[in-house]
Amino acid sequence: EVQLVESGGGLVQPGGSLRLSCAASGFTFSSYWMSWVRQAPGKGLEWVANIKQDGSEKYYVDSVKGRFTISRDNAKNSLYLQMNSLRAEDTAVYYCARSGSSSWDGMDVWGQGTTVTVSS
Amino acid sequence: QSVLTQPPSASGTPGQRVTISCSGSSSNIGSNYVYWYQQLPGTAPKLLIYRNNQRPSGVPDRFSGSKSGTSASLAISGLRSEDEADYYCAAWDDSLSGPWVFGGGTKLTVL
Repeated sequence: EVQLVESGGGLVQPGGSLRLSCAASGFTFSSYWMSWVRQAPGKGLEWVANIKQDGSEKYYVDSVKGRFTISRDNAKNSLYLQMNSLRAEDTAVYYCARSGSSSWDGMDVWGQGTTVTVSS
Repeated sequence: QSVLTQPPSASGTPGQRVTISCSGSSSNIGSNYVYWYQQLPGTAPKLLIYRNNQRPSGVPDRFSGSKSGTSASLAISGLRSEDEADYYCAAWDDSLSGPWVFGGGTKLTVL
């Protein structure tokens, strides 16, 4: 069964850091682009970042550039999101999602999400 | 404000056909595939339509997608109570602001 399981969410103070993880199983992780997508409470979906199969290309939404870093470890079938200088507006459920073999392939498998709350 | 524009709400009665629109620009819908996602209350999004009009296995043929120019539509025929959910469109964007953009979402109510 194809599965994505996120972890690492929690409560953090403004200006703090958090590292999210996503464990993949049931498919050849190294063959797919991977993404992070977030959803603020009561709001819509917002794409955050994605990364190429070998990690050589990474893209970010403007609001997180310079603060968030996406990475992956294909040997561990894992995707990560290092979040620094967190702000209240980063509060959201963060979803890990699988894309296709090309950057423009949409997200077809989603994890259950992990909640990040930025508050003092 | 989302890059892709969707109506905030839509409704229909059981058995009816409803459509949800998604409007974009030449840098996203106009030149790339459109994807549709269904998000049931309290759950993760689920892929409903990919590459404008393709259904993943397991998605009923009551759901269909289309695209014309810089707009796209999701149609749901034979509306059922379990279709009550939020629906989002998405597309790759060629501009510098970010590769993937979503619509603001449409809440579908089955009356």
